Amino acid sequence: ILNVEQSPQSLHVQEGDSTNFTCSFPSSNFYALHWYRWETAKSPEALFVMTLNGDEKKKGRISATLNTKEGYSYLYIKGSQPEDSATYLCASGAGSYQLTFGKGTKLSVIP
Amino acid sequence: DVKVTQSSRYLVKRTGEKVFLECVQDMDHENMFWYRQDPGLGLRLIYFSYDVKMKEKGDIPEGYSVSREKKERFSLILESASTNQTSMYLCASSFFAEPLYEQYFGPGTRLTVT
Repeated sequence: ILNVEQSPQSLHVQEGDSTNFTCSFPSSNFYALHWYRWETAKSPEALFVMTLNGDEKKKGRISATLNTKEGYSYLYIKGSQPEDSATYLCASGAGSYQLTFGKGTKLSVIP
Repeated sequence: DVKVTQSSRYLVKRTGEKVFLECVQDMDHENMFWYRQDPGLGLRLIYFSYDVKMKEKGDIPEGYSVSREKKERFSLILESASTNQTSMYLCASSFFAEPLYEQYFGPGTRLTVT
């Protein structure tokens, strides 16, 4: 079983602040890295799936980078809004069918 | 839009009861997954299925079984519910099982076993 770690566990930011969090994963046998956003009372939804070292993906104010050699990914949110409040999950796949999920980073954006 | 639905949002059952959690997806996905999510832990895979009538154990299959008689439906069965199975259960589906493909999740069933 892979060990996928996310930090911080939670954070509170003011509306308008930019923020970032980290996902670390074993770099051996790496296949893909997923980011999901899980809002309270809703379904987790995929933000990004990344596979290549150096990958950068962007969706609106949210972007992510991937370093497969050192085994980490960053998720950035620019100009946080209250609607960004959610738990952000990362998950790593290492060549099997399974994704291994981290425990998530819970973001609260204070208006 | 892919839609994954789960039969109940909240469920309360007694210890020893047989519990069925149903999941249906409407996008003709080959693969379906059952996870549980507990405080302080990441999503953990219970079982997945890559085809009708096919199933594979995940990381924590003990105490659970699954059924996939039709492509769109994947059921999780707790043969004899126990209090340590109190949890949030999430179903997901994907077009292919390989980790290249994003998973689409249902809204979850919060199961309480008393």
